[in-house]
Amino acid sequence: ETGVTQSPTHLIKTRGQQVTLRCSSQSGHNTVSWYQQALGQGPQFIFQYYREEENGRGNFPPRFSGLQFPNYSSELNVNALELDDSALYLCASRGTDTQYFGPGTRLTVL
Amino acid sequence: LAKTTQPISMDSYEGQEVNITCSHNNIATNDYITWYQQFPSQGPRFIIQGYKTKVTNEVASLFIPADRKSSTLSLPRVSLSDTAVYYCLVGDGGSTLGRLYFGRGTQLTVWP
Repeated sequence: ETGVTQSPTHLIKTRGQQVTLRCSSQSGHNTVSWYQQALGQGPQFIFQYYREEENGRGNFPPRFSGLQFPNYSSELNVNALELDDSALYLCASRGTDTQYFGPGTRLTVL
Repeated sequence: LAKTTQPISMDSYEGQEVNITCSHNNIATNDYITWYQQFPSQGPRFIIQGYKTKVTNEVASLFIPADRKSSTLSLPRVSLSDTAVYYCLVGDGGSTLGRLYFGRGTQLTVWP
C-alpha cells in the first residue's frame, strides 16, 4: 500500500459529459501528478501540482484541468469527454525523490 | 527529459534470475534512475531507485555503470507473481521529477 487513494474506482460516462476524479496523496507529500494510461501503453504525464499551483503540464488540451487543495488532495477534471479519453487515470504523490502511485480510476467513455 | 529504451518483452522460468537492461543515453547529471512494476489495471509500484554503481533492496538490485547511459534491473529467483510490466524511468530530483516519462515498458512473463 502506497497511502495514495483514488476515487471512484470505475466510471462510465458518455461523450460530451464532464468528469471529476479525486486523489488523496500520501501523508506529508505536497506534490501530486496525474497520468493517463491508455490500454497497452505506458502512463502519460498530464500535469503536476505543487502547493496548490500547477507547475508542469504534458501534451494535453485545456479541457483537462486540475486542482490541489490545502490538504494536498487533488482533483482532475475533464470536460467535453471524447471516446479517446477512455483510459486508466493515475495519481501519484511525490516523496523526496520518488513518486508513489494510487490504484487508478478506470474511465470508460461511450 | 531523458528517454529510455528497454526490451518490449522477456520470458523466464520460475526460480531464475532476470536481468532487464535499459538504455538512457541522454541522462542528465541530476537524473536518478527509477524502476516501477505494474500489474494490469493497477498503479505502478516503485521497485528501486539509484544514481550510480549498485543499489540493492529486499526486492531487486540495480546496476548502473560509470557512464550511467544504461542500467540493469536484476530480479533474483523470479516467481509467477513477478509477471508484470517493468518500466525504467529517469528524472531529476527537482520540481521536474513529477514529469516522469514512461515508455512502453518490458512485459516480463514468468513460466512454471
